[in-house]
Amino acid sequence: KAGVTQTPRYLIKTRGQQVTLSCSPISGHRSVSWYQQTPGQGLQFLFEYFSETQRNKGNFPGRFSGRQFSNSRSEMNVSTLELGDSALYLCASSLEGFTTGELFFGEGSRLTVL
Amino acid sequence: KQEVTQIPAALSVPEGENLVLNCSFTDSAIYNLQWFRQDPGKGLTSLLLIQSSQREQTSGRLNASLDKSSGRSTLYIAASQPGDSATYLCAVMTTDSWGKLQFGAGTQVVVTP
Repeated sequence: KAGVTQTPRYLIKTRGQQVTLSCSPISGHRSVSWYQQTPGQGLQFLFEYFSETQRNKGNFPGRFSGRQFSNSRSEMNVSTLELGDSALYLCASSLEGFTTGELFFGEGSRLTVL
Repeated sequence: KQEVTQIPAALSVPEGENLVLNCSFTDSAIYNLQWFRQDPGKGLTSLLLIQSSQREQTSGRLNASLDKSSGRSTLYIAASQPGDSATYLCAVMTTDSWGKLQFGAGTQVVVTP
C-alpha cells in the first residue's frame, strides 16, 4: 500500500515568488493536513481538509492557502514568498470517522527561499 | 490552548541502555497521543498511537504510557541500539480538531556504540 506522496521533494525560490506543493494521501484516506517545520518554531499546523472543505486552520497569514480535490489529493500554495518561509512542509493523511485518528506523514517538500 | 512539552531536549546513552522520553500536555481533552520518529531531513514515522481511553501501547522494544489526568506520556525504548538515534516527537490531537496535531519540540537521542 503506497504511503503519502509529496512533490516536489526539494525546490528553491526567490523572495516574492509563489510556490505550489502537492500531496497525494494514502488510498482511502480523505482527511489531509499540512504542517510547517522550521528549526526555530518546530512543527506547526497549517490547515486540514476533508471532502474538499477546510475544517481547521492554523495561525498563518493569508499568503498560505490550500485546497483539496475530489480524489482527496491536496495542494498548498504560498504567495509572495519571504525568507522565513524556508522550511520543510509536511503533509499527513488519515481516515475519517470512528477511527484511531492516526496520521501518516509523507517525506515532505523542502522549500528554500533566497 | 494545548501546549506540549518534551523533556529532555537531548540525551546521549551507551548502546544497550533503556531510553525514557517524557511528554507533557496541558489540556486533557485529547482524542489521541502519537509518538513519532524523525531522522535528519526526513518525514515523520509513526511509532505508537495511544487513544484517550487507553493507558499504554506496546510494539516490540517500544512501550508508551498515557496518564490523561496528569497530562503525561512516557515512551520507553528497551535495549537501545545505534539505529535508534533520531529525534522523537510526541503530538496530541484534541477532541475538537480532527487532523490537527499539537507537537512538542522533540527529544534528540544519540545512542553510542
